[in-house]
Parts: sequence; structure tokens; C-alpha cells
Amino acid sequence: AQSVSQHNHHVILSEAASLELGCNYSYGGTVNLFWYVQYPGQHLQLLLKYFSGDPLVKGIKGFEAEFIKSKFSFNLRKPSVQWSDTAEYFCAVRRGAGSYQLTFGKGTKLSVIP
Amino acid sequence: GAGVSQSPSNKVTEKGKDVELRCDPISGHTALYWYRQSLGQGLEFLIYFQGNSAPDKSGLPSDRFSAERTGGSVSTLTIQRTQQEDSAVYLCASSFDSQGPKEQYFGPGTRLTVT
Repeated sequence: AQSVSQHNHHVILSEAASLELGCNYSYGGTVNLFWYVQYPGQHLQLLLKYFSGDPLVKGIKGFEAEFIKSKFSFNLRKPSVQWSDTAEYFCAVRRGAGSYQLTFGKGTKLSVIP
Repeated sequence: GAGVSQSPSNKVTEKGKDVELRCDPISGHTALYWYRQSLGQGLEFLIYFQGNSAPDKSGLPSDRFSAERTGGSVSTLTIQRTQQEDSAVYLCASSFDSQGPKEQYFGPGTRLTVT
């Protein structure tokens, strides 16, 4: 069965620090990759997505992620975090070629200290 | 426009009771999904509806769980004889179509607590 691993359960950073959240998946075929964010008390929102093309994708609020096929990874990055980035981040994978089911990682909680 | 809405936002029920959770997808979205988010876990797929096709129920954890979608719009997730392990946040999502790179839009969820 396909699985998605997020390496960090809880990350604590000071403002202006750089962020990298790891995500690895187990499926070997074509995949669509997503990062979702859930701010405290809010809905899950799409942060960014990769379907094809340039493996470096840019999302909202200065986030970016790089798809490295050889490593089955899709790590999320931000050069300088803000207190408002405090949230829970979920990586999700969908098999390509017509699949609909998203498989989510367990999430990484990010706390940014002012 | 309006997003995915879910009701109730919170539900506390006694063990053994039945509960119904409702989802109103975004107008025009043909695909609808239910997920469960337990404490410290990611989102677990439960069931998927696409248009008039038979739903994919492969993620339902037991036969106490069922869901229907009336008129291709509103969906109801029913949990019979609730157990404490059913306590979780139940999330609904919708998208224009299941095929291709269509984004799933999530609702706010229903927090279910079984006492």
C-alpha cells in the first residue's frame, strides 16, 4: 500500500529562521503531490501542488517545494518563517493517471516563536 | 463563492448512539470525499462519490459506517452504534471532477466526541 511519511512531528522555529519539512512517499509510478496547511481553527487549504514539469514549485505565502523523483521526496521549504506560519502542514500524494484518492502524511506541526 | 460546509461543527454523543454528519459541497463539484482525522494522525480516506457512479467505500472502517449522496449534491455520513474509537474530526472535500489534477476543497469538519 502506498504510504506518505513526514519525518517531523513538531518543529519549533524562531521568526526569520529557514524551514524545511520532509515528505517521502512509497509509490513508484506517476504521482501528483500536494502540501496542505491547516492554520489554527481554520480549514485545510492547499499550499502548493506538483503535477508535472518543473520539479521546483512555488506556492502561496513564499512557500516552495521540490520534487526529487529519485528520492521519492517532496520537501517543503520557506527561506524565512513568520509567526503567522504557525500551523499544521500535511503532505499528500495521489497516484497519477486518473486516480482520485489522496494519501496523507500524519502532519507536521510548526510553531514559530516571535 | 461559498465553500464546502459541514454540520454540525461539533457533536458529542453517547457510546452506542447513531450519528449523522452532513456535507454540502461546492456548487457544481461532482466529486465528494469523506476523510477522518484522528488525534495525531493524518487524514484517513473513508469514501468517495463521483456523479452517479457507485461510490468507492473501500476506506470505511466497519459496517457501522455508511454514507449517501442525494441528488449528486449533499452527502450524509452515518455512524451507527458509535464507539469511543470513532471520536475524530470528520472532513468532507469536493472537487470539480476526480479525473486529472483537480484540487480538493475541504470543509471545516465535524468534531465527533463519543463519551
